[in-house]
Amino acid sequence: DAGITQSPRHKVTETGTPVTLRCHQTENHRYMYWYRQDPGHGLRLIHYSYGVKDTDKGEVSDGYSVSRSKTEDFLLTLESATSSQTSVYFCAIKGTGWMNTEAFFGQGTRLTVV
Amino acid sequence: AQKVTQAQTEISVVEKEDVTLDCVYETRDTTYYLFWYKQPPSGELVFLIRRNSFDEQNEISGRYSWNFQKSTSSFNFTITASQVVDSAVYFCALSEQGGSEKLVFGKGTKLTVNP
Repeated sequence: DAGITQSPRHKVTETGTPVTLRCHQTENHRYMYWYRQDPGHGLRLIHYSYGVKDTDKGEVSDGYSVSRSKTEDFLLTLESATSSQTSVYFCAIKGTGWMNTEAFFGQGTRLTVV
Repeated sequence: AQKVTQAQTEISVVEKEDVTLDCVYETRDTTYYLFWYKQPPSGELVFLIRRNSFDEQNEISGRYSWNFQKSTSSFNFTITASQVVDSAVYFCALSEQGGSEKLVFGKGTKLTVNP
């Protein structure tokens, strides 16, 4: 199995509080992604990174920020959590080159904002 | 812009039936990758297949087969003789090669195989 872990796995937080989710990899892969999964919407890309300090927005980036200060860690921050951000969050990693383009996923983080 | 469309939201079949899951994609790049992932009720995302844009050969793996047609921008997935264990949500995804390699998913198709 690919070395990717998400923390925490479950979190309940109050509206208006900041929350940070962590994605850690041991594969030294260049690309990292954050998705949210909601019923009827599939996996929607929030932010992604194509290198240390290189990040870009996905389709649902409002209310989220990310940071990648080293290859192995990609942090997702909800600046002021809202109930609409209650979701399951997945991190994914992907390598480069013709034979290394499969994306591996973490186990997911279930976030509830009350 | 990248886009993946899975028009079938839910499909229900009886065990041993064949079922095809449709995937249509949009991209301006000539070099890209297509993927299928399975998400069983336990929630993890399981990689099934990767296909690059230069390889239009169909692929078969046991009861699974994939049909890639660039002319129609489709990458369809067929399960032959479906089983209850095939019940899951299946996602098709697209990644453009080079640069940021943004990875975009369709909304998924929920397959239920009834005994």
